[in-house]
Amino acid sequence: DIQMTQSPSSLSASVGDRVTITCRASQGISNSLAWYQQKPGKAPKLLLFAASRLESGVPSRFSGGGSGTDYTLTISSLQPEDFATYFCQQYYSTPLSFGGGTKVEIK
Amino acid sequence: EVQLVQSGAEVKKPGESLKISCKHSGYSFTSSWIGWVRQMPGKGLEWMGIIYLGDSDTRYSPSFQGQVTISADKSINTAFLQWSSLKASDTAMYYCARPRGGWPNYFDYWGQGTPVTVSS
Repeated sequence: DIQMTQSPSSLSASVGDRVTITCRASQGISNSLAWYQQKPGKAPKLLLFAASRLESGVPSRFSGGGSGTDYTLTISSLQPEDFATYFCQQYYSTPLSFGGGTKVEIK
Repeated sequence: EVQLVQSGAEVKKPGESLKISCKHSGYSFTSSWIGWVRQMPGKGLEWMGIIYLGDSDTRYSPSFQGQVTISADKSINTAFLQWSSLKASDTAMYYCARPRGGWPNYFDYWGQGTPVTVSS
């Protein structure tokens, strides 16, 4: 099974800050990685897939990168609506697995 | 418009059985998969299993194999998640979600979630 380690588990940032979240897989996943945003009491929302492809309707301030085992989600200029929890997910093999989540809080 | 609409909140006692549902609309039910994801209070996301709606081919995460049963009814465009004997540790939010394209894949549409509380 592939383990996904996400860091940090939480961070505090201000509106306008650049924020980067990291996700590390226990083995190579060939860019089969998605990122989700979840707000309290809501279902997760797909942001990016294939490591760097932006889902339709998602603002361009969100971007993804990486390869092999190491991947990143970057928010170029944090907006008030971006305060949420972010999860990565590998779909390279089953069982599917998610990172533990990163809670982005207001500084 | 694709929609996944889940059944409402449940409060049960340990040992009771439960079946929750996920009704789809807006796409071809029989040519798609529907998965289930657990989120325990304050915790992360865990993939439980998935069913192919065309022929009910079902796959389970090893962590949930034997603990739950996933099924579907094509006639009413609905997938189900059921427990035969609930435990307090089954208290969680349960989401159904559709993987885009084939399987395995990422999930592009999610239900609103069904909160399940198991308490004596």
